[in-house]
Amino acid sequence: GESVGLHLPTLSVQEGDNSIINCAYSNSASDYFIWYKQESGKGPQFIIDIRSNMDKRQGQRVTVLLNKTVKHLSLQIAATQPGDSAVYFCAERPDYGGSQGNLIFGKGTKLSVKP
Amino acid sequence: DAEITQSPRHKITETGRQVTLACHQTWNHNNMFWYRQDLGHGLRLIHYSYGVQDTNKGEVSDGYSVSRSNTEDLPLTLESAASSQTSVYFCASSEMGWDEQFFGPGTRLTVL
Repeated sequence: GESVGLHLPTLSVQEGDNSIINCAYSNSASDYFIWYKQESGKGPQFIIDIRSNMDKRQGQRVTVLLNKTVKHLSLQIAATQPGDSAVYFCAERPDYGGSQGNLIFGKGTKLSVKP
Repeated sequence: DAEITQSPRHKITETGRQVTLACHQTWNHNNMFWYRQDLGHGLRLIHYSYGVQDTNKGEVSDGYSVSRSNTEDLPLTLESAASSQTSVYFCASSEMGWDEQFFGPGTRLTVL
């Protein structure tokens, strides 16, 4: 089994409901953010990204919101499905005056979808 | 379809042994990365490469080395495996810098 989901914050939602997963990032110099989905036993899968010159970006059933004032990122999943069950984590990329830093990954939130 | 693969998927080894984990990508990406994933931590960067013959240390590089002799491969070597290196290892690649990294399926390494 996959141990990455243990000891993580868990969000449990009913199938068909909307899900909101939050992420507080650490570096005010970060200018690029990514959301990843990781299913049990698999590698992280890119979902959506957003640059700091945007507040909102939409994909297929997913929306990312960025609030730079409070250094907060959220991922909204519309009409959550059982296949959405996974660990979701954000990543930020600091920009130090034109020199990009390494991606900094959050620890993740486990999303559990009840049928 | 382009992809990124890792081998082996599971490995058990003994303390002190040298271990090499393979990573192969067919995206033709210049940028490749190695991470480890442990309970209580986000993904942590071990080494990365921006192209052939280029390698750089990441956050947790001690005890690890990489080499980049071609675009497709970035093998990760544990010179002398330690129990603290028991982890799940992920390789990733990207077309542009640190943007949109594509990850492999991972290698679960156990050091006894």
